[in-house]
This record gives sequence, C-alpha cells and structure tokens, in this order.
Amino acid sequence: DQQVKQNSPSLSVQEGRISILNCDYTNSMFDYFLWYKKYPAEGPTFLISISSIKDKNEDGRFTVFLNKSAKHLSLHIVPSQPGDSAVYFCAASNPGNTPLVFGKGTRLSVIA
Amino acid sequence: DAGVTQSPTHLIKTRGQHVTLRCSPISGHKSVSWYQQVLGQGPQFIFQYYEKEERGRGNFPDRFSARQFPNYSSELNVNALLLGDSALYLCASSFRGGPSYEQYFGPGTRLTVT
Repeated sequence: DQQVKQNSPSLSVQEGRISILNCDYTNSMFDYFLWYKKYPAEGPTFLISISSIKDKNEDGRFTVFLNKSAKHLSLHIVPSQPGDSAVYFCAASNPGNTPLVFGKGTRLSVIA
Repeated sequence: DAGVTQSPTHLIKTRGQHVTLRCSPISGHKSVSWYQQVLGQGPQFIFQYYEKEERGRGNFPDRFSARQFPNYSSELNVNALLLGDSALYLCASSFRGGPSYEQYFGPGTRLTVT
C-alpha cells in the first residue's frame, strides 16, 4: 500500500510559467516532507523540505505548500526553466529514526 | 568536497550469483543508507547504518545484507540474485544519525540480473 502518492507520472509546462507538482500521503504520523529532483544518471538531489508545523516554505523559485487536513502537499516552481526538467520525488518521514518513504515521481518537462 | 561515490556504476550478473556494491559517504558524514529504485518507482529503503551499527532495515529478504566500516564507507551485499533484483541501487549519506533529513545521494549502481 503506497503511503506517498504522486498521481501524475508526467507534467509539461512552458518556460516561464508555473509548474505545480502534487503529492498525497496516507500516513497521518508523517511529520516531515521533502522534495528531491533527479536527473538521468545522477542520484536524487535534495530540493526543499517542510515540517508539519508549517504550511509553507519558500526557497527562491521553489515553494512547498502543506495541507495537513487534506494530507496533500505541492511544489510550485516559478518561473519554470528548461533546466528544471527532471523527475521530482516527494518523500515523507515519521518522527524519530525512521526511513524516508518516496512517491513514484513526476517527470517534469519544461518546454522552451 | 567530493560527494557520495558509489562503485561500480554498472553491473551485470546472472541469477543465483551474489553481488557487492560499495559506497563512500561525504567526508564527515557518519550515516549511510541504501535504497533500491526499480524502474518507474521511487527509491525504497533497504538499510541504514550509523557509526557502524544497523539503525534501520526495510522490508527486504535476508538475501540482502550490509555493513559499515570504520571509515564510514559501506557495502551492500545481495546473495542468490533474482531477476527482480534488477534496479538502481542508491546510497545516501547524512551527518545526523537518522535516515531522514538532508540525505545526499550518490549516482547509484545500475544492477542488471539476467
């Protein structure tokens, strides 16, 4: 049973527009959420995170929103750039010494 | 500073064989975690080691084992390989002991079992 779900396998966006990647989770014990970006032939790279005590975290062009009641988080990229084209993974963890649980990923293509 | 390194980058093995994958963490990082990423899926947690002790284990059979050395590098061993073990094996290191938070991933080892 998937605890972290990314229901959109792929997303295509025009350069300069907003990219919105979505993630849903089922485990209400998750208290920390992360987004990773992965280019081909490279390992995932940490992008941005959010604690469950917050509902928004911003880092430059990247903003993550958390809606705990809906068990939903989203990653906004504004403005989108061709270099943002990659697979984006949502991940979550429980309190304490627990492993990251990843979603299946969403492939973002930013078209120039 | 060098990032997480893994060797080999690619490997082809036959069913029933065993394989050893290696990982060197970022200098100063004492925790190493291993993940398996099957095509079309997200990384799935296998093991986490901190200060040479196993701190976590995912839902993988006993054919999978790992260890961490005094220099904090790590090995992942898989015995009696099955076709379903074909995957990208990722190693991640972190400074803190928990497997969550600020993990830095290596490029992975692509294992193909034929």
